[in-house]
Amino acid sequence: SQQGEEDPQALSIQEGENATMNCSYKTSINNLQWYRQNSGRGLVHLILIRSNEREKHSGRLRVTLDTSKKSSSLLITASRAADTASYFCATEYSGTYKYIFGTGTRLKVLA
Amino acid sequence: DVKVTQSSRYLVKRTGEKVFLECVQDMDHENMFWYRQDPGLGLRLIYFSYDVKMKEKGDIPEGYSVSREKKERFSLILESASTNQTSMYLCASSQTSGRSYEQYFGPGTRLTVT
Repeated sequence: SQQGEEDPQALSIQEGENATMNCSYKTSINNLQWYRQNSGRGLVHLILIRSNEREKHSGRLRVTLDTSKKSSSLLITASRAADTASYFCATEYSGTYKYIFGTGTRLKVLA
Repeated sequence: DVKVTQSSRYLVKRTGEKVFLECVQDMDHENMFWYRQDPGLGLRLIYFSYDVKMKEKGDIPEGYSVSREKKERFSLILESASTNQTSMYLCASSQTSGRSYEQYFGPGTRLTVT
């Protein structure tokens, strides 16, 4: 499988703290996306970063991409209880329409 | 807003039954996908379709087939359901015009095969 991997598998923090999740992948990509999934629901797209970009911001989210290390990180600043969810990275491999999802990071933000 | 709907939120079927899961999107997206999600394994791609009547196998197509007769509708078929197909099934769609776009997901169907 060419599945990406998120690290850590689970993360528990206090409200107001920052949360950082990492994603590693295996081969060349067109873009990398991050998604959020609330318990038992479908995934919601958060942010997309293209292979020629190094950093992208969206509200309290900051994503970095290091293609030389084949890795990405998602930073959520000033976390809230509502950020409690699972977070997945997804990579579209060059020359395909297929997206490969990682196994996810379960984030719990304690009020 | 893009809307992706799935025919059922919960489904219980017996071993050996033929099962149809339907997915409909309302944004004229070219691409549609079926995933299954299992604890510890994340999302795994079963099949995807990039146009009407076109389909390609994903990572775990065994035991499944798909049908896309209309652009907005993508069906997943379990020919003879087995207990190891108990899972959450997620449908998604995306557009493409030479560049890549994010996927929009349905709410999921939790299938139990007994």
